Amino acid sequence: SQELEQSPQSLIVQEGKNLTINCTSSKTLYGLYWYKQKYGEGLIFLMMLQKGGEEKSHEKITAKLDEKKQQSSLHITASQPSHAGIYLCGAQGADTGFQKLVFGTGTRLLVSP
Amino acid sequence: EAGVTQSPTHLIKTRGQQATLRCSPISGHTSVYWYQQALGLGLQFLLWYDEGEERNRGNFPPRFSGRQFPNYSSELNVNALELEDSALYLCASSLTAGVVEQFFGPGTRLTVL
Repeated sequence: SQELEQSPQSLIVQEGKNLTINCTSSKTLYGLYWYKQKYGEGLIFLMMLQKGGEEKSHEKITAKLDEKKQQSSLHITASQPSHAGIYLCGAQGADTGFQKLVFGTGTRLLVSP
Repeated sequence: EAGVTQSPTHLIKTRGQQATLRCSPISGHTSVYWYQQALGLGLQFLLWYDEGEERNRGNFPPRFSGRQFPNYSSELNVNALELEDSALYLCASSLTAGVVEQFFGPGTRLTVL
């Protein structure tokens, strides 16, 4: 079955610094989603990537999907306290059923002032 | 436009009891998904309903069941509650079965004592 591994598991950065979170799949991805979750709350949709080499940006967050569609990265530029939370990557694979999302274990981000 | 709503916010039950969780999708969305986020286990797919039918099921025992009503709202029932059922239960909706982007609700935190 498809598995997603996220790294790092947790991250503390100083406000204003850049950071990158990675998500690696054991199998080729059909679609890759990035969500943000504040502790104990629902998921906020950030971005979806489907094509190899695709890159999307929203405000200070950029997500990329590699050409082989097995790895994605989420980059935050000039981090702010509002970026703190848990970042989850979710994916659809051909063997999971396209409507079922498999999630990584998450990356906990803390931004210190 | 209202997002996905879930009720109750918190639910406390004892072992052996039954829990009922409710979800209202975004207006116009026909697909509803249920996920379980237990401590240490990450976010796991539970059930997918579309047009009133169960379309896919995750690796959970039969005591986890649900249904989707004609207005597309959904109910998740957990029978014979066990301590390890304590988790945040998230509901998501998508426009139709063919649309992969899922929008999540705030969740119901179930505590089993």
